[in-house]
Amino acid sequence: DTGVSQDPRHKITKRGQNVTFRCDPISEHNRLYWYRQTLGQGPEFLTYFQNEAQLEKSRLLSDRFSAERPKGSFSTLEIQRTEQGDSAMYLCASSLGARPSNTEAFFGQGTRLTVV
Amino acid sequence: GIQVEQSPPDLILQEGANSTLRCNFSDSVNNLQWFHQNPWGQLINLFYIPSGTKQNGRLSATTVATERYSLLYISSSQTTDSGVYFCAVGLAGTASKLTFGTGTRLQVTL
Repeated sequence: DTGVSQDPRHKITKRGQNVTFRCDPISEHNRLYWYRQTLGQGPEFLTYFQNEAQLEKSRLLSDRFSAERPKGSFSTLEIQRTEQGDSAMYLCASSLGARPSNTEAFFGQGTRLTVV
Repeated sequence: GIQVEQSPPDLILQEGANSTLRCNFSDSVNNLQWFHQNPWGQLINLFYIPSGTKQNGRLSATTVATERYSLLYISSSQTTDSGVYFCAVGLAGTASKLTFGTGTRLQVTL
């Protein structure tokens, strides 16, 4: 197992277009998270799945954002009608655990989105 | 929500020097991780340390959960240690997100 994998690594899109990112977690991990990181800041939480259930969404996740994890394995994050403010690094992480405890999270290499 | 503060924000060291990075948090946690973000943006796991002390080579970390802080020690620094170091915490009683600090940017010079 090579860890958390994200695709694509880089995406340049025109304002108004839709984009979709994919995350493949570590195979035995039941939890999957999406974060967003802008320049000079730490990553900020977007949303969290336990298996296929989306259990928490941040207020940062506007109506233009949607995330899925249909079979409890890989996940996709879609941004509709992209805006320049969506330009950021999108990070995926996974961990193994059962409520209410937490365990170590591992991050992918990220998808860097540039909206022009 | 929980607040996470890291200090110092920036640090410049000569190769071979030692340093201590600090992370203060505002509430009880059940998860605390230290990461090193490389120039390509990858977050590298350094320590999973909600309490106690751990060591890995030239790096060590201590978390005093009752006093709500954690320290990351880097000894005999090397140029490859350069980058941004993040502390991230998970709120006790929950099973979800990490909240990150704003990071310490470390530059190690020859």
